[in-house]
Amino acid sequence: AQKITQTQPGMFVQEKEAVTLDCTYDTSDQSYGLFWYKQPSSGEMIFLIYQGSYDEQNATEGRYSLNFQKARKSANLVISASQLGDSAMYFCAMKGGKLIFGQGTELSVKP
Amino acid sequence: GAVVSQHPSWVICKSGTSVKIECRSLDFQATTMFWYRQFPKQSLMLMATSNEGSKATYEQGVEKDKFLINHASLTLSTLTVTSAHPEDSSFYICSARRPGGYTDTQYFGPGTRLTVL
Repeated sequence: AQKITQTQPGMFVQEKEAVTLDCTYDTSDQSYGLFWYKQPSSGEMIFLIYQGSYDEQNATEGRYSLNFQKARKSANLVISASQLGDSAMYFCAMKGGKLIFGQGTELSVKP
Repeated sequence: GAVVSQHPSWVICKSGTSVKIECRSLDFQATTMFWYRQFPKQSLMLMATSNEGSKATYEQGVEKDKFLINHASLTLSTLTVTSAHPEDSSFYICSARRPGGYTDTQYFGPGTRLTVL
């Protein structure tokens, strides 16, 4: 069975600093995909970044980067230079046959 | 990114009535759409997978007679909450899988907030 775990219910970060949101996963599949989504208070789910299990390099998208450590089964999201608009819920997800989500981390950026 | 719309964005209804929520992929054809339910401060729970032209596949514990799903075209899936009750009040989100490409990413609609009085 596949499982995604986010152990940080809430995080605070000072504006302009970097923050790491943790995500660990468990799967017996050799091929899988890992996603991060952002959910602001409006409720929409915004796709941020993707990492394939066979990708040798860590994925990056602007201020977002994914620290993928396959042996440790972790896929942490790093947000650099935090902005006030980054305050939101962040979900890690894994795609096997279907997309399953972690519990989410609520990030609050302080001015 | 791809655009997925949902309508209505919020709805309030009386107990016992039925509510239909539409999910549309606006700039791509989606053979597969998904319906999720989310309670406040919780994760998304997959309710069902909707495939164009065939019956939806429901997750364990989801009442298929209560949550009717129809995927009539490559750009439209609907979720009908039948005989709604207050415990059905929730945030319902659909997503559409964009076929092809490397990531096979799911794009989400903005969600529908249902309140049953």
